[in-house]
Amino acid sequence: SQKIEQNSEALNIQEGKTATLTCNYTNYSPAYLQWYRQDPGRGPVFLLLIRENEKEKRKERLKVTFDTTLKQSLFHITASQPADSATYLCALEGSGGGADGLTFGKGTHLIIQP
Amino acid sequence: DTGVSQDPRHKITKRGQNVTFRCDPISEHNRLYWYRQTLGQGPEFLTYFQNEAQLEKSRLLSDRFSAERPKGSFSTLEIQRTEQGDSAMYLCASSLGSALSGNTIYFGEGSWLTVV
Repeated sequence: SQKIEQNSEALNIQEGKTATLTCNYTNYSPAYLQWYRQDPGRGPVFLLLIRENEKEKRKERLKVTFDTTLKQSLFHITASQPADSATYLCALEGSGGGADGLTFGKGTHLIIQP
Repeated sequence: DTGVSQDPRHKITKRGQNVTFRCDPISEHNRLYWYRQTLGQGPEFLTYFQNEAQLEKSRLLSDRFSAERPKGSFSTLEIQRTEQGDSAMYLCASSLGSALSGNTIYFGEGSWLTVV
């Protein structure tokens, strides 16, 4: 069955350092992968989308890589700040068109220590 | 643009009762999605509309769940004969088109359901 795995434990990072979060998937051939941020009690907020033919995408302090051979995406936050503390979710949709039912990982809880 | 709006934000109901949640998507967004999220888990896809047509339903959506989007604008999600396992946050999201085409999916703040 299709599976998405993210670091299940909280990730503690010192302010100013780069935080790197991992998303691994199995039994998928995703056309794209998305990353979301979710704060407690709030809905997810879209951050970045990377397509299968893209290796890397950047947006301000965020960088996402997508390795379809390793079936892995890495999400980096550079110069991390306490305000970056949140749960980060990766989500995939299968390739071949069809409906837009995204499948989410469980998320990684990121804590940036001042 | 006021974002995706969901109502009510919180609902406590007794087991066996019916509940209905409403979602108002961002205007002109033709795609509308329902997800369910429990503590410590990512959102789970329930169903998806393109305009008024319900195009996909997850196996998670038992026959006690029904969703409608009668005029292609707001949507309702009804849960009949609620069970304790239905306790979760129900998230609605909308988009102008396919994410693959570069459209962002916007989520609402969710409707929390507690079945006692």
